[in-house]
Amino acid sequence: DTGVSQNPRHKITKRGQNVTFRCDPISEHNRLYWYRQTLGQGPEFLTYFQNEAQLEKSRLLSDRFSAERPKGSFSTLEIQRTEQGDSAMYLCASSDYSGGTTTDTQYFGPGTRLTVL
Amino acid sequence: SQQGEEDPQALSIQEGENATMNCSYKTSINNLQWYRQNSGRGLVHLILIRSNEREKHSGRLRVTLDTSKKSSSLLITASRAADTASYFCARGTGANSKLTFGKGITLSVRP
Repeated sequence: DTGVSQNPRHKITKRGQNVTFRCDPISEHNRLYWYRQTLGQGPEFLTYFQNEAQLEKSRLLSDRFSAERPKGSFSTLEIQRTEQGDSAMYLCASSDYSGGTTTDTQYFGPGTRLTVL
Repeated sequence: SQQGEEDPQALSIQEGENATMNCSYKTSINNLQWYRQNSGRGLVHLILIRSNEREKHSGRLRVTLDTSKKSSSLLITASRAADTASYFCARGTGANSKLTFGKGITLSVRP
């Protein structure tokens, strides 16, 4: 399967610990997005990369959150000093952006479910 | 913050019936995308409609877009029990094409 993959699928951690998630986009997709989804809500945009450049961060992304995409392929999302309010599904999506925003289809991975105790 | 509304919030129909779900939004869009999500899983892309398109079909799916009313609808014809899921409309806006989602519509198809 050549879809978007995310690891781990589930993560349980204690408050105050750091966690890191990984996303592998569809091969050769130049855009990569991170979203967060809480129970009963739709996903909310966190940040996105075009190749290795992080071009936008949502105000939802506090300074405890950091994302990287060092070689323009996979990306990591790290949360430092986790809080119970960080419990959510973290979703990654990728797209093949060729300059036409009207056709920028985003394909999502299965998500990483984080539970902070 | 999330913009727009999906309607209804929940829909329960019998297998074989059609399901119509509506989505409204507040700001201009580049495109509108519909996704399906089974419980606790990732989102599956269903269909994308551009801001200059009015209707699009894909298999049993039909999507319409009315930019003057800032609304879209998703029609699933001849529904199946396997269509049971949450459905989201997502507005693609700006140069970054980030998606803005609503709360979703829960569809239950009774066998």
